[in-house]
Amino acid sequence: ETGVTQTPRHLVMGMTNKKSLKCEQHLGHNAMYWYKQSAKKPLELMFVYSLEERVENNSVPSRFSPECPNSSHLFLHLHTLQPEDSALYLCASSQDVRQGSETQYFGPGTRLLVL
Amino acid sequence: GQNIDQPTEMTATEGAIVQINCTYQTSGFNGLFWYQQHAGEAPTFLSYNVLDGLEEKGRFSSFLSRSKGYSYLLLKELQMKDSASYLCAVRDNDNYGQNFVFGPGTRLSVLP
Repeated sequence: ETGVTQTPRHLVMGMTNKKSLKCEQHLGHNAMYWYKQSAKKPLELMFVYSLEERVENNSVPSRFSPECPNSSHLFLHLHTLQPEDSALYLCASSQDVRQGSETQYFGPGTRLLVL
Repeated sequence: GQNIDQPTEMTATEGAIVQINCTYQTSGFNGLFWYQQHAGEAPTFLSYNVLDGLEEKGRFSSFLSRSKGYSYLLLKELQMKDSASYLCAVRDNDNYGQNFVFGPGTRLSVLP
Protein backbone atom coordinates (compact mmCIF):
# COMPACT_ATOMS: atom_id res chain seq x y z
CA GLU A 1 0.00 0.00 0.00
CA THR A 2 1.69 3.20 -1.19
CA GLY A 3 -0.92 5.74 -0.07
CA VAL A 4 -2.15 6.25 -3.63
CA THR A 5 -5.39 4.55 -4.67
CA GLN A 6 -6.93 4.23 -8.10
CA THR A 7 -10.40 3.17 -9.25
CA PRO A 8 -11.47 1.23 -11.13
CA ARG A 9 -8.70 -1.35 -11.26
CA HIS A 10 -9.98 -2.78 -14.54
CA LEU A 11 -12.10 -1.13 -17.24
CA VAL A 12 -13.44 -2.35 -20.56
CA MET A 13 -15.03 0.26 -22.80
CA GLY A 14 -16.22 0.70 -26.35
CA MET A 15 -14.87 3.42 -28.60
CA THR A 16 -18.01 5.52 -28.18
CA ASN A 17 -18.15 5.33 -24.39
CA LYS A 18 -17.24 8.01 -21.88
CA LYS A 19 -15.60 6.94 -18.64
CA SER A 20 -13.43 8.46 -15.92
CA LEU A 21 -10.46 7.15 -13.96
CA LYS A 22 -10.02 8.32 -10.40
CA CYS A 23 -6.89 8.71 -8.30
CA GLU A 24 -6.62 9.72 -4.65
CA GLN A 25 -3.48 10.24 -2.59
CA HIS A 26 -3.31 10.26 1.21
CA LEU A 27 0.31 11.41 1.51
CA GLY A 28 -0.09 15.18 1.73
CA HIS A 29 1.67 15.64 -1.61
CA ASN A 30 0.88 18.54 -3.92
CA ALA A 31 2.01 17.19 -7.28
CA MET A 32 0.15 14.46 -9.15
CA TYR A 33 0.82 12.68 -12.44
CA TRP A 34 -0.86 10.46 -15.01
CA TYR A 35 1.28 7.91 -16.84
CA LYS A 36 0.47 5.43 -19.59
CA GLN A 37 2.24 2.06 -19.57
CA SER A 38 1.89 -0.04 -22.73
CA ALA A 39 3.38 -3.46 -23.24
CA LYS A 40 7.07 -3.34 -24.16
CA LYS A 41 7.18 0.49 -23.93
CA PRO A 42 8.57 2.84 -21.29
CA LEU A 43 6.26 4.65 -18.93
CA GLU A 44 4.95 7.71 -20.77
CA LEU A 45 4.18 10.86 -18.82
CA MET A 46 0.78 12.22 -19.83
CA PHE A 47 -0.02 15.03 -17.40
CA VAL A 48 1.57 16.78 -14.44
CA TYR A 49 -0.36 18.82 -11.90
CA SER A 50 1.54 20.91 -9.40
CA LEU A 51 -0.45 22.73 -6.72
CA GLU A 52 -3.58 21.86 -8.71
CA GLU A 53 -2.40 23.63 -11.86
CA ARG A 54 -1.53 21.68 -14.98
CA VAL A 55 2.14 22.16 -15.76
CA GLU A 56 2.46 20.11 -18.92
CA ASN A 57 0.27 17.80 -20.97
CA ASN A 58 3.01 16.39 -23.13
CA SER A 59 1.03 16.47 -26.38
CA VAL A 60 -1.57 13.94 -25.29
CA PRO A 61 -4.60 13.56 -27.60
CA SER A 62 -7.65 15.57 -26.58
CA ARG A 63 -9.68 12.39 -26.06
CA PHE A 64 -7.87 12.29 -22.68
CA SER A 65 -8.95 15.11 -20.39
CA PRO A 66 -7.48 15.49 -16.89
CA GLU A 67 -9.06 17.20 -13.92
CA CYS A 68 -7.50 18.05 -10.57
CA PRO A 69 -10.13 19.54 -8.22
CA ASN A 70 -7.75 19.57 -5.22
CA SER A 71 -4.31 18.35 -4.27
CA SER A 72 -5.58 14.93 -3.16
CA HIS A 73 -7.67 13.97 -6.17
CA LEU A 74 -6.94 13.51 -9.85
CA PHE A 75 -9.24 12.34 -12.62
CA LEU A 76 -8.69 11.26 -16.20
CA HIS A 77 -11.80 11.62 -18.35
CA LEU A 78 -11.90 9.36 -21.40
CA HIS A 79 -14.03 9.71 -24.52
CA THR A 80 -14.01 8.25 -28.02
CA LEU A 81 -10.88 6.22 -27.30
CA GLN A 82 -9.10 4.02 -29.81
CA PRO A 83 -7.99 0.39 -29.38
CA GLU A 84 -4.35 1.54 -29.22
CA ASP A 85 -5.23 3.42 -26.02
CA SER A 86 -5.53 0.08 -24.24
CA ALA A 87 -2.84 0.12 -21.55
CA LEU A 88 -2.17 0.38 -17.83
CA TYR A 89 -2.82 3.92 -16.59
CA LEU A 90 -0.81 4.80 -13.51
CA CYS A 91 -1.31 7.70 -11.19
CA ALA A 92 1.54 9.00 -9.04
CA SER A 93 2.11 11.75 -6.51
CA SER A 94 5.13 13.53 -5.05
CA GLN A 95 6.11 16.56 -3.07
CA ASP A 96 6.31 19.66 -5.25
CA VAL A 97 10.01 20.22 -4.96
CA ARG A 98 12.38 21.02 -7.78
CA GLN A 99 15.31 19.03 -6.47
CA GLY A 100 16.11 16.47 -3.91
CA SER A 101 15.29 12.85 -3.45
CA GLU A 102 11.53 13.29 -3.44
CA THR A 103 10.37 10.31 -5.38
CA GLN A 104 7.01 9.53 -6.88
CA TYR A 105 4.60 7.15 -5.23
CA PHE A 106 2.51 5.15 -7.67
CA GLY A 107 -1.00 3.82 -7.42
CA PRO A 108 -1.83 0.26 -8.51
CA GLY A 109 -3.06 1.40 -11.91
CA THR A 110 -6.18 0.95 -14.00
CA ARG A 111 -5.95 -1.73 -16.68
CA LEU A 112 -7.93 -0.31 -19.62
CA LEU A 113 -9.14 -2.29 -22.62
CA VAL A 114 -10.76 -0.43 -25.51
CA LEU A 115 -12.81 -2.58 -27.86
CA GLY B 1 16.04 14.40 -27.21
CA GLN B 2 15.40 12.26 -24.18
CA ASN B 3 16.74 8.73 -24.23
CA ILE B 4 17.25 6.12 -21.55
CA ASP B 5 18.55 2.64 -22.37
CA GLN B 6 18.45 -0.55 -20.33
CA PRO B 7 18.81 -4.22 -21.26
CA THR B 8 15.41 -5.73 -21.96
CA GLU B 9 15.84 -8.95 -20.03
CA MET B 10 18.30 -10.57 -17.65
CA THR B 11 18.44 -13.93 -15.92
CA ALA B 12 20.33 -14.80 -12.75
CA THR B 13 20.47 -17.56 -10.15
CA GLU B 14 19.18 -17.40 -6.60
CA GLY B 15 21.95 -16.26 -4.23
CA ALA B 16 23.99 -14.64 -7.01
CA ILE B 17 24.77 -10.98 -7.76
CA VAL B 18 23.36 -9.13 -10.77
CA GLN B 19 24.12 -5.68 -12.19
CA ILE B 20 21.52 -3.85 -14.27
CA ASN B 21 22.93 -1.01 -16.35
CA CYS B 22 21.25 2.21 -17.44
CA THR B 23 22.55 4.90 -19.80
CA TYR B 24 20.80 8.20 -20.29
CA GLN B 25 20.79 11.34 -22.43
CA THR B 26 18.39 13.98 -21.10
CA SER B 27 17.92 17.73 -21.21
CA GLY B 28 19.22 18.46 -17.74
CA PHE B 29 19.67 16.23 -14.76
CA ASN B 30 18.08 16.47 -11.31
CA GLY B 31 18.61 12.96 -10.06
CA LEU B 32 18.31 9.32 -11.14
CA PHE B 33 15.85 6.89 -9.60
CA TRP B 34 15.48 3.13 -9.68
CA TYR B 35 12.09 1.49 -9.27
CA GLN B 36 11.01 -2.13 -8.93
CA GLN B 37 7.79 -3.25 -10.60
CA HIS B 38 6.32 -6.71 -10.10
CA ALA B 39 3.98 -7.94 -12.81
CA GLY B 40 0.57 -6.31 -12.51
CA GLU B 41 1.67 -3.99 -9.70
CA ALA B 42 2.74 -0.38 -9.31
CA PRO B 43 6.40 0.64 -9.47
CA THR B 44 7.97 1.08 -6.03
CA PHE B 45 10.96 3.27 -5.21
CA LEU B 46 14.31 1.56 -4.64
CA SER B 47 17.07 4.17 -4.77
CA TYR B 48 18.10 7.69 -5.69
CA ASN B 49 21.43 9.11 -6.91
CA VAL B 50 22.22 12.74 -7.65
CA LEU B 51 25.98 12.80 -6.96
CA ASP B 52 28.59 10.50 -8.47
CA GLY B 53 29.29 7.36 -6.52
CA LEU B 54 27.67 4.41 -4.87
CA GLU B 55 24.58 4.44 -2.63
CA GLU B 56 24.06 1.26 -0.62
CA LYS B 57 20.79 0.12 0.83
CA GLY B 58 20.84 -3.40 2.20
CA ARG B 59 21.02 -5.92 -0.63
CA PHE B 60 20.56 -3.16 -3.23
CA SER B 61 23.17 -0.60 -4.32
CA SER B 62 23.04 2.02 -7.04
CA PHE B 63 25.91 3.78 -8.77
CA LEU B 64 25.99 6.99 -10.79
CA SER B 65 28.50 8.62 -13.13
CA ARG B 66 27.09 11.91 -14.39
CA SER B 67 29.96 12.55 -16.80
CA LYS B 68 29.27 9.23 -18.52
CA GLY B 69 25.47 9.39 -18.29
CA TYR B 70 25.58 5.97 -16.67
CA SER B 71 24.08 4.22 -13.67
CA TYR B 72 23.75 0.67 -12.46
CA LEU B 73 21.64 -1.15 -9.91
CA LEU B 74 23.41 -3.96 -8.08
CA LEU B 75 21.36 -6.69 -6.43
CA LYS B 76 23.17 -9.06 -4.06
CA GLU B 77 22.09 -12.39 -2.56
CA LEU B 78 19.31 -12.69 -5.08
CA GLN B 79 15.99 -14.09 -3.92
CA MET B 80 13.12 -15.48 -5.98
CA LYS B 81 10.99 -12.48 -4.98
CA ASP B 82 13.48 -10.20 -6.78
CA SER B 83 12.03 -11.42 -10.10
CA ALA B 84 10.50 -8.20 -11.42
CA SER B 85 11.07 -5.35 -13.85
CA TYR B 86 13.58 -2.69 -12.81
CA LEU B 87 12.97 0.81 -14.13
CA CYS B 88 15.60 3.52 -14.44
CA ALA B 89 14.22 7.08 -14.42
CA VAL B 90 15.84 10.51 -14.69
CA ARG B 91 14.33 13.74 -13.42
CA ASP B 92 15.21 16.39 -15.95
CA ASN B 93 14.62 20.13 -16.12
CA ASP B 94 11.36 20.04 -18.06
CA ASN B 95 8.03 20.83 -16.39
CA TYR B 96 9.83 22.96 -13.83
CA GLY B 97 11.77 19.95 -12.60
CA GLN B 98 8.74 17.71 -12.25
CA ASN B 99 9.45 15.62 -15.33
CA PHE B 100 10.49 12.01 -14.91
CA VAL B 101 11.77 10.21 -18.00
CA PHE B 102 11.64 6.43 -17.72
CA GLY B 103 13.68 3.75 -19.42
CA PRO B 104 12.01 0.69 -20.94
CA GLY B 105 12.71 -1.43 -17.87
CA THR B 106 14.76 -4.57 -17.41
CA ARG B 107 12.85 -7.77 -16.71
CA LEU B 108 14.88 -9.85 -14.27
CA SER B 109 14.17 -13.54 -13.83
CA VAL B 110 15.71 -15.22 -10.78
CA LEU B 111 16.02 -18.98 -11.20
CA PRO B 112 16.40 -21.55 -8.39
